Amino acid sequence: GAVVSQHPSWVICKSGTSVKIECRSLDFQATTMFWYRQFPKQSLMLMATSNEGSKATYEQGVEKDKFLINHASLTLSTLTVTSAHPEDSSFYICSAIPGGFDSPLHFGNGTRLTVT
Amino acid sequence: AQSVAQPEDQVNVAEGNPLTVKCTYSVSGNPYLFWYVQYPNRGLQFLLKYITGDNLVKGSYGFEAEFNKSQTSFHLKKPSALVSDSALYFCAVREPGGSYIPTFGRGTSLIVHP
Repeated sequence: GAVVSQHPSWVICKSGTSVKIECRSLDFQATTMFWYRQFPKQSLMLMATSNEGSKATYEQGVEKDKFLINHASLTLSTLTVTSAHPEDSSFYICSAIPGGFDSPLHFGNGTRLTVT
Repeated sequence: AQSVAQPEDQVNVAEGNPLTVKCTYSVSGNPYLFWYVQYPNRGLQFLLKYITGDNLVKGSYGFEAEFNKSQTSFHLKKPSALVSDSALYFCAVREPGGSYIPTFGRGTSLIVHP
């Protein structure tokens, strides 16, 4: 149980275009989801906390106008990379917590974004 | 503030030998500790956690971890490594009464040689 599904797995887009990444909790409701970015062979960088029905909370240094987050339902959060540039190329991973404070995060399989 | 340290960027071990991936932490109070594994181009998978109780915690794929309060450590171990264990391993901590967002270590790349 407690499956988080992320789509697409990989995407290639041209500079200046926008890309939407979806994150779904398949068998539980998630009022909060977390979006991470990971550079090659590096740790996770928390970008933002997505809150169902309200605005996302962005970490310091993350451009909220570039990385638009929408959490319209208890099972779906989306991250839109707007006007993408090559430096936005990265591995983006979403996660959610299916239980209480002692529950681990459950992660999607990630999205490899390449901007050409 | 909570923090986690994984002092080794990479651990190399021969197949069949025991492995240890180190993790130390700093929190106020009793920690909630987690280990995750990440295979290439995949998300993280939960391996095991320590909340309370026995200091030796057993998890998925034959892994276990030992909580040591005096040394503030939570090292990941496996008695006999497999080539398929080669992956990136992350330690994470939550502080009681704190945020649901765990603090992750920087990750340790485990390479198991045939």
